[in-house]
Formats: sequence, structure tokens, C-alpha cells
Amino acid sequence: KAGVTQTPRYLIKTRGQQVTLSCSPISGHRSVSWYQQTPGQGLQFLFEYFSETQRNKGNFPGRFSGRQFSNSRSEMNVSTLELGDSALYLCASSPGTAKTIRSDNEQFFGPGTRLTVL
Amino acid sequence: AQSVTQLGSHVSVSEGALVLLRCNYSSSVPPYLFWYVQYPNQGLQLLLKYTSAATLVKGINGFEAEFKKSETSFHLTKPSAHMSDAAEYFCAVSVGSSNTGKLIFGQGTTLQVKP
Repeated sequence: KAGVTQTPRYLIKTRGQQVTLSCSPISGHRSVSWYQQTPGQGLQFLFEYFSETQRNKGNFPGRFSGRQFSNSRSEMNVSTLELGDSALYLCASSPGTAKTIRSDNEQFFGPGTRLTVL
Repeated sequence: AQSVTQLGSHVSVSEGALVLLRCNYSSSVPPYLFWYVQYPNQGLQLLLKYTSAATLVKGINGFEAEFKKSETSFHLTKPSAHMSDAAEYFCAVSVGSSNTGKLIFGQGTTLQVKP
């Protein structure tokens, strides 16, 4: 099976611009989570999508948004970029389930998109 | 609320020496715990996970971890370090009593392996 893919791998933007990152999960996986990784804050959860619905959200401003398509591919968007948005953005997929049955949430990570805001 | 603490942001060992990376967790429900490794400019790769089936968990590349409930710990070990083990290691806990798609990560430990 192909792993999680993210595009683009590298991006350079300027303050005030907006950016869209893309993630294709492992075939058959229905849950996609996004994380921001920075040297200062470490790995922080942004949000999770399952069956085109946002199921959970981290503590980030509304400038950060996402969506999921019917094929489980996901995009995240950051509007009005700030210097502090420079980070590695990681996407992770898991099989997921619609039931509120606790599972281990094992996640498979993509290589990330390195965003630099100038 | 769940949380993870990794003791030591940097660990340095000699090649062939024991590797011990420490992780303590806090969880209001029986935890699911993970160790991930990250090589430069790459994503995270799962080393092993604890899902309550066995307290001693064996993973890839010769790593293992032991879940100790009394100590709320899940330390990662490898008997003999290899140069290729140099990377950043993250301990994580799965959040909540249902599927939330959220992992909480520790701050990471950079492992340096000296020849």
C-alpha cells in the first residue's frame, strides 16, 4: 500500500498570503489528522476529519481551516499568514470508525510540508 | 486530561551502548501509548505501541518499551545503539474515551550516537 502523501513538500510564502496544503491518506483510511510541528511548541494537533466532517479541533485560530473530500483526501488552509506559522505541517491517517468505540488511534504520518513565511 | 512528559531533550550514547529514552504519561482513562521516530526532514514513523495486550512491547529496529502503570511510565530501550538510530524520538498518548483522531506528543528526545 502506498503511504500518506503530502503536497507540496516545501512552500515559501509572505506574510498576509494564504496557503493550501494537501494530504492523501492511505487507501481505505477514513480519518485524517493534521499537526503543526515547530521547534518551540513541538507537535500540536490542529484538527481531525472523518467522513468529510471535522470531528475534533485543536487550539488554533480560525485562520487555520481544513476540509475532507469524499475520497478521504484532505486539505488544510491557512489564511493571512504570519511569521509564526512557519512550521512543518504533518498529516496522519488512520482507519477510523464512526462509532464512539475507543480505539488506539494509531496514526500513519506523511513526510510533511515545510512552510516558510517571510 | 492526558499528557506526556519526556525526560531529557537530548540523550547521547556510544555506539553499542544501551539506549534508554524516558516517557511518563498522565491519563484519566487506560492509555494507548506510542513511540515514534523522526529522521531529519521526514515524517514520523511508528516504532511501537501499547494497547494493553502486553506490558512489554517489542517494536521495529530492536526497540522495546515497558508499560508500568504504577510508575505511569513507558520508557523506550534498545540494548545496543547503532549509528542509524540517531534521530528524534517522540512519545505520544491517544486522547479521550472515543475516536478523536488526536495524539498528544511529548516534546521529543534527540538521540545522538557517538562512534
